[in-house]
Amino acid sequence: DTEVTQTPKHLVMGMTNKKSLKCEQHMGHRAMYWYKQKAKKPPELMFVYSYEKLSINESVPSRFSPECPNSSLLNLHLHALQPEDSALYLCASSLRTSLLLDNEQFFGPGTRLTVL
Amino acid sequence: AQKVTQAQTEISVVEKEDVTLDCVYETRDTTYYLFWYKQPPSGELVFLIRRNSFDEQNEISGRYSWNFQKSTSSFNFTITASQVVDSAVYFCALSEANTNAGKSTFGDGTTLTVKP
Repeated sequence: DTEVTQTPKHLVMGMTNKKSLKCEQHMGHRAMYWYKQKAKKPPELMFVYSYEKLSINESVPSRFSPECPNSSLLNLHLHALQPEDSALYLCASSLRTSLLLDNEQFFGPGTRLTVL
Repeated sequence: AQKVTQAQTEISVVEKEDVTLDCVYETRDTTYYLFWYKQPPSGELVFLIRRNSFDEQNEISGRYSWNFQKSTSSFNFTITASQVVDSAVYFCALSEANTNAGKSTFGDGTTLTVKP
């Protein structure tokens, strides 16, 4: 299984809602990532988890709260979002975070989020 | 600081034409990694190739080939005999070895349209 899955594919939420994005991989990868991608822009790194511990938070607002309950799952909890948070949210995984290994990132299809 | 420039915002070709996507990078590190990703309309980023700074060999994979030249800090990507299915956004990315955290700097992407 060389796949990263993400649910839901599409999400529309109001600014007062609480929702969660889910990401799953069964490749034995121990590094997982959340990216945000606006239309016609490159992906922007949000968070990196290494061995289920948060290793990088790229100064993301607290209305985005990541969680890594186990080595296969990565969640992104959303609360009190703003319309400008509307974007494609991509999850990725890699064997490790170290670049010294053959360590390419495998990306999921993304969740397209619209905040009204 | 690392930077990736993809000067071509959009390219349009007719099927069976060859096309080259340019990527120029900046880094102060002597050890770094370069990547190309494809993002079709479905949204998922697909890894195409990884190259480390000590390996300047050009690579060919089917209709795809990559030309890495440290002297000009370029890592260009050529598609031979393009097909409609090659239509996508292509991102070049750079990771410096000392980050050791899976962080990549992406270029702004080149949108390739292959017309039948």
